[in-house]
Amino acid sequence: QLQLQESGPGLVKPSETLSLTCTVSGGSISNTRYYWGWIRQPPGKGLEWIGNVYYSGNTYYNPSLKSRVTISVDTSKNQFSLTVRSVTAADAAVYFCARRAGYFYYMDVWGKGTTVSVSS
Amino acid sequence: QSALTQPASVSGSPGQSITISCTGTGRDVGSYNLVSWYQQYPDKAPKLIIYEVSERPSGVSNRFSASKSGSTASLTISGLQAEDEADYYCCSYAGDNTSVFGTGTKVTVL
Repeated sequence: QLQLQESGPGLVKPSETLSLTCTVSGGSISNTRYYWGWIRQPPGKGLEWIGNVYYSGNTYYNPSLKSRVTISVDTSKNQFSLTVRSVTAADAAVYFCARRAGYFYYMDVWGKGTTVSVSS
Repeated sequence: QSALTQPASVSGSPGQSITISCTGTGRDVGSYNLVSWYQQYPDKAPKLIIYEVSERPSGVSNRFSASKSGSTASLTISGLQAEDEADYYCCSYAGDNTSVFGTGTKVTVL
């Protein structure tokens, strides 16, 4: 059974860089049927799509975050990662990684999420 | 890219049916049959309950059904049960390899 697990620092200072990793187990990140993505949820608020990556390294981002976000993939480790630069309090959220079903654009497997706070 | 519009809250008594709307534009919901719905309990990850407008994943109760008309998608929960009390989010393909979520709806079972 496919599982996703987010990992990374729970606290980031303002203006610094947030880095998270999602480890995929029980399946290959190189499966051509799927894309891999990040979604976040600020405290008490709704879900926000951040972006997706394909095993080949092709990336797709939310236009509102594109200038500060990078998603990358490491097929040798079966992992993909998220970097958010120049963070502010508005970036504090639960960050979820998820598998997206190809060109059908639905997320069918999710990680449990990891909480990131932004504070000096 | 603006969030799809959902009612903040919907409530119903056990056994009743409720419907949650998800209103987008001609650039997202209105142009693609790629709407999905997610159920989220507090402090839990979202769970896929509908994909491609009206398809249910294996294991999801048939009390959940969904449809789309123009730029508005809808999720109906029939035979409302206490366990249906959760937050629900729609999501649509929005062109250019992007996705957009709805604002979310809190369902309360009275």
